[in-house]
Amino acid sequence: GENVEQHPSTLSVQEGDSAVIKCTYSDSASNYFPWYKQELGKRPQLIIDIRSNVGEKKDQRIAVTLNKTAKHFSLHITETQPEDSAVYFCAPGGTGFQKLVFGTGTRLLVSP
Amino acid sequence: KAGVTQTPRYLIKTRGQQVTLSCSPISGHRSVSWYQQTPGQGLQFLFEYFSETQRNKGNFPGRFSGRQFSNSRSEMNVSTLELGDSALYLCASSLGTGGGDEQYFGPGTRLTVT
Repeated sequence: GENVEQHPSTLSVQEGDSAVIKCTYSDSASNYFPWYKQELGKRPQLIIDIRSNVGEKKDQRIAVTLNKTAKHFSLHITETQPEDSAVYFCAPGGTGFQKLVFGTGTRLLVSP
Repeated sequence: KAGVTQTPRYLIKTRGQQVTLSCSPISGHRSVSWYQQTPGQGLQFLFEYFSETQRNKGNFPGRFSGRQFSNSRSEMNVSTLELGDSALYLCASSLGTGGGDEQYFGPGTRLTVT
């Protein structure tokens, strides 16, 4: 948590391409690494999360990889679809009970 | 299971006034966190309540306060409103049993300060 950076801020891909968003954090005590998706006008929704004792987790077309040594984790979306278009936030946390420190967000646009 | 609800959904206030927002968590969830979302600052943590006690606090001035009731419902209050307080205020509930419980967000209250 604490200082959280997300890259890129905007990502445009063609339908069917893969998308990767990277999140870098500074708090070495972080042990919970979620990714949220927020569609326009809607609430953030958890799409995948990983804990510090796991290096990678996959759920159908999305996956998250964690490098605790380098203090970054990434969201991978394969075979992107137009409905994947949204803003994605990383929110490392876990050290301060339920406090999540959100990244600045990545706007993903998937063109048909 | 009913989701997290927030009332009101929209609010317009004048500078200097105060406002109270309400959040009802998912049944069985004891933790309620509040976040402020603005285009410029993104999503920022305000505070978290668990069993009627504030467990964690973000970097906001004392004008922002909250409380939690015995049924886990939570309210946040902003006094002496400023133009910069215009934002979407989101609450999120979770079991609260340890760091890293999945948080479920409500639809938010959009506050406009004029």
